[in-house]
Amino acid sequence: GAGVSQSPRYKVAKRGQDVALRCDPISGHVSLFWYQQALGQGPEFLTYFQNEAQLDKSGLPSDRFFAERPEGSVSTLKIQRTQQEDSAVYLCASSLGGTTTGNEQFFGPGTRLTVL
Amino acid sequence: QQPVQSPQAVILREGEDAVINCSSSKALYSVHWYRQKHGEAPVFLMILLKGGEQKGHDKISASFNEKKQQSSLYLTASQLSYSGTYFCGTDNYGQNFVFGPGTRLSVLP
Repeated sequence: GAGVSQSPRYKVAKRGQDVALRCDPISGHVSLFWYQQALGQGPEFLTYFQNEAQLDKSGLPSDRFFAERPEGSVSTLKIQRTQQEDSAVYLCASSLGGTTTGNEQFFGPGTRLTVL
Repeated sequence: QQPVQSPQAVILREGEDAVINCSSSKALYSVHWYRQKHGEAPVFLMILLKGGEQKGHDKISASFNEKKQQSSLYLTASQLSYSGTYFCGTDNYGQNFVFGPGTRLSVLP
């Protein structure tokens, strides 16, 4: 079956532009995560959805970052007025269970964002 | 709070063993282990739930000591395909999820 997909795979933005990153989780997966991964670092948690509910957004670095999952499936991470420090790979992961505990996360290939 | 991993990097010859450690200052309910190869997404290895269990498949196993808030990943008779960066991830009782900084493993022929 299809895994987690993300689009676009690569995005180049000029500083100040808005971007939208899309994640299609595995069908039926309840939980969806967004992570930011800088070069040579581990994935850093941004936000977590259980179905359409955003249960935790404590990792979003500023109010320029916004995520939604309106129908409990596809999710979009939006970054407004991009800055150079936003350059990173943005990973999406989904898991079958409705909790972070004990549920394997399946990762998408990521979107590499470069802000010039 | 991010878990601590050690060592930061390790270089092995094919067939040698390695241990990667993960510790947290917060109480843990579960520990996840993932491996990421360069330019690819992290891939799941195993999950350990509280109860001090040990798991393994093939020549990779792990233990979880919830009292010490520590987990260790054991790689036995390493193969070239084991090369990559290993991350532990900690689940704080169902709220968010935090990855460690990673341990870079290089297996040489």
